[in-house]
Amino acid sequence: QQQVKQSPQSLIVQKGGISIINCAYENTAFDYFPWYQQFPGKGPALLIAIRPDVSEKKEGRFTISFNKSAKQFSLHIMDSQPGDSATYFCAAKGNFGNEKLTFGTGTRLTIIP
Amino acid sequence: EAQVTQNPRYLITVTGKKLTVTCSQNMNHEYMSWYRQDPGLGLRQIYYSMNVEVTDKGDVPEGYKVSRKEKRNFPLILESPSPNQTSLYFCASSLRRGQGGRNTIYFGEGSWLTVV
Repeated sequence: QQQVKQSPQSLIVQKGGISIINCAYENTAFDYFPWYQQFPGKGPALLIAIRPDVSEKKEGRFTISFNKSAKQFSLHIMDSQPGDSATYFCAAKGNFGNEKLTFGTGTRLTIIP
Repeated sequence: EAQVTQNPRYLITVTGKKLTVTCSQNMNHEYMSWYRQDPGLGLRQIYYSMNVEVTDKGDVPEGYKVSRKEKRNFPLILESPSPNQTSLYFCASSLRRGQGGRNTIYFGEGSWLTVV
């Protein structure tokens, strides 16, 4: 049962372009939506997160857009750089008492010069 | 430095030979968990612990055991490993919701396990 669906599976963007990764969730009890960045050989690291009471959150070149009615959220990376090449996971968490993150399947992002 | 430390990082073992992957965190976090990462499936939770001596099953607990005798340590035990447990394993920790901070979940660097 995939509660968080992520697309695309892989993405190639030119340096300086905008990278967009999309996620959709099913459980309306989720109330915390983080994005994790993972480099090869490393564990996932929190990149940016949003709660459903706001529609957008921006931190530097990274922006989360959140559409509560559509149960969708997306990550936008502006001015994409080769150093952004990594695997990105969206995730969702609810107040279920177990702090569990439900992850999307991941997007491998490659930024080409 | 805030850290979640896993060992071993890489292991090749044979079917049926018991093994333990250790996990330790230095942030005094109550919550710890184990995930496995498989291609096309993302990360799936195996077991979690909300505090010392409190553990519970995640989404894919079959074939695994855990224990939480100390706050900082949360070992993952494979009593009789099988090839379908070949995977990349991550330990994670965080404060519990309502205990302040960003409630960020921190991950270790991963343990590559191959069962032949």
